[in-house]
Parts: sequence; C-alpha cells; structure tokens
Amino acid sequence: DAGVIQSPRHEVTEMGQEVTLRCKPISGHNSLFWYRQTMMRGLELLIYFNNNVPIDDSGMPEDRFSAKMPNASFSTLKIQPSEPRDSAVYFCASSGLADTQYFGPGTRLTVL
Amino acid sequence: GQSLEQPSEVTAVEGAIVQINCTYQTSGFYGLSWYQQHDGGAPTFLSYNALDGLEETGRFSSFLSRSDSYGYLLLQELQMKDSASYFCAVRDPPNTDKLIFGTGTRLQVFP
Repeated sequence: DAGVIQSPRHEVTEMGQEVTLRCKPISGHNSLFWYRQTMMRGLELLIYFNNNVPIDDSGMPEDRFSAKMPNASFSTLKIQPSEPRDSAVYFCASSGLADTQYFGPGTRLTVL
Repeated sequence: GQSLEQPSEVTAVEGAIVQINCTYQTSGFYGLSWYQQHDGGAPTFLSYNALDGLEETGRFSSFLSRSDSYGYLLLQELQMKDSASYFCAVRDPPNTDKLIFGTGTRLQVFP
C-alpha cells in the first residue's frame, strides 16, 4: 500500500488567497483526520471523519476553514481567505483501528 | 477533558537506555499510544498499551500502569537515528476515534 497521500507537499501563497489541501487515505480505512502542527501549538486535531461523515470539527479554528470528504478515497481541507497565522504543517491521517493512525507526509503551508 | 504531561526534552548518548514518561488525566481510558516524529517528518505509530504491563517491540518497550495513570516508553541501545520527538496519546471519549496527543518529548542522542 502507498500509505496516506497528501498534496501538495509544499504551498506558498499570499494572504487572502484560497488554499486547498488534498488527502487520499489508506484503502479500507474508515476514519480520516486533519491535523495542524506548529511549534507554538503542537499537534492539533482540526476535524475528523468516520465513513465520510464529519464527526468532530471542534478544532476547526474559524469559518475560514472547511473540510470535505466526498468519498472514501478523498478529502480536502480548504482555507479561504488564508492568513499568515495559518502557516503550519498540515497532516492528514487515516485509521482502520481507533488507536493506530497512519499519517501522510504533510503539507507545509506558508502564507506571506 | 483529557490532558497528558511528558518532559519537553531528554538527552542521552549512543548505546544508553532512556525512559520517556507520560502521565495522563482522562474521563475515560481506553489505552495509551506512542508515536515517533523525526524532524521534517510525519508522526509514526510505535506502540499501544491497553492493559497494565510492559510491551516489547525490539529495542523499544512501552509500559502502562492504569492505577497510576502513567506510562513510559523505554528505548534501549540508543542509536543516533532515534533522535526524534516522541508523543504519547490517549483516546478522547466519547469520540473514541479521536486521539489527544501530548506536547511531545524531544530526544537528542549524542555520539
């Protein structure tokens, strides 16, 4: 298996622009998680899906962030409009068992 | 809510043994997990303890004491490649798919 796939790996954009991050989970996994990691705040869960349904979005910082999972093999995290404070590494992870999450390589986002 | 505490940094030399502790407070407990993250990399799963005792996987072992709300990760025969951050994590009931991660312990291994 190829593991969790994320794209792009790096994104540099200007403040105010829309950013879309993409994730393909491991085939057969039924849970998908979006995390954000910064030095100041550590690893934060933004939202997670189970069987393509959003279960907990309490970590989504504000309305500028939205996430979708239209099918079992694809999810997006969108930031619109982006701000410099959104600069971070965004990880997608998937899980077939509740205590073993497999992380993608991450997207390093820089908002200028 | 859930909270976890672990030391921010640990240093050791090659060949040594190091223990990384984790204490937790949870409203419901389903097990303690450990993840490793190298600089610039993604967290990777190391181990999971649901019951008291020691679980051994090669040079790494993980221990849990549910009565003490405490666990640790033991790394033996340290190698330079073990330099990384190590996170403990617990489930967040009632959302049992959701993990709460500690702030991480940065391990530096010196030659």
